[in-house]
Amino acid sequence: KQEVTQIPAALSVPEGENLVLNCSFTDSAIYNLQWFRQDPGKGLTSLLLIQSSQREQTSGRLNASLDKSSGRSTLYIAASQPGDSATYLCAVYNFNKFYFGSGTKLNVKP
Amino acid sequence: KAGVTQTPRYLIKTRGQQVTLSCSPISGHRSVSWYQQTPGQGLQFLFEYFSETQRNKGNFPGRFSGRQFSNSRSEMNVSTLELGDSALYLCASSWRGQNQETQYFGPGTRLLVL
Repeated sequence: KQEVTQIPAALSVPEGENLVLNCSFTDSAIYNLQWFRQDPGKGLTSLLLIQSSQREQTSGRLNASLDKSSGRSTLYIAASQPGDSATYLCAVYNFNKFYFGSGTKLNVKP
Repeated sequence: KAGVTQTPRYLIKTRGQQVTLSCSPISGHRSVSWYQQTPGQGLQFLFEYFSETQRNKGNFPGRFSGRQFSNSRSEMNVSTLELGDSALYLCASSWRGQNQETQYFGPGTRLLVL
C-alpha cells in the first residue's frame, strides 16, 4: 500500500525567506504527483502537477521536483510572503486512487 | 466559470441517521471524486464517478455510497452515521478524470455527528 509522508509537519519562517517542503512516498510506480494548498476551513487548491515522466514543474515563485527512483518530491517556495501561510499537501496517484500526505503547515511571519 | 460547489456547507446529525451531500462540478467536467478529511486520518479517497459510472473506490465501508447524474452532479450518501464519520467531505472535479489532470476542489461540507 502506498504511504505518503511530509516533513516537517509545521514550519515557521520570516517573510522573504526561501523554503523547501518535502514529500516522500513508498511506491515509486506513481502516475503523477500533485502539490496542493489548503487554507483553514477551505477546500484544496492545486498548485503544481508533475507527471511521472517529468522531473519538475514551475509556476511563479513555486518549483516542484520529482525523483521517482528515490520516492521524493520537493516544493520550493521563493521569497515567501505572509499570504503563503497555509497547509501544503502532496498527493501521488497510483493503484487508481490518490494518496495524500498529512501536510506541512506553513506560517510566514511579516 | 463557476467553481465546484457543495451543499450544504455545514451539517449536524445524530448517530444512526443518514445524510446526503451534493456536489456540482465545474461545467463540462465529467469526473467527480469524493474525499474525507479528518485530523487523525488526513485526506482519504472515497470514490470517483465518471460519466455516471463509479470508476474507482477507496477503502470505506458500504455505508458510504454515491451516484452521479447525467448533468455530472454527484451525491454522496452515508447511512447509519457513526461518531467517526464527523469530517470535512470534499469533492473535486476534472474533465478527463483524477488520474489525467488537475482536480478542482469544492469548499467542502463539514459534517458533525453527535
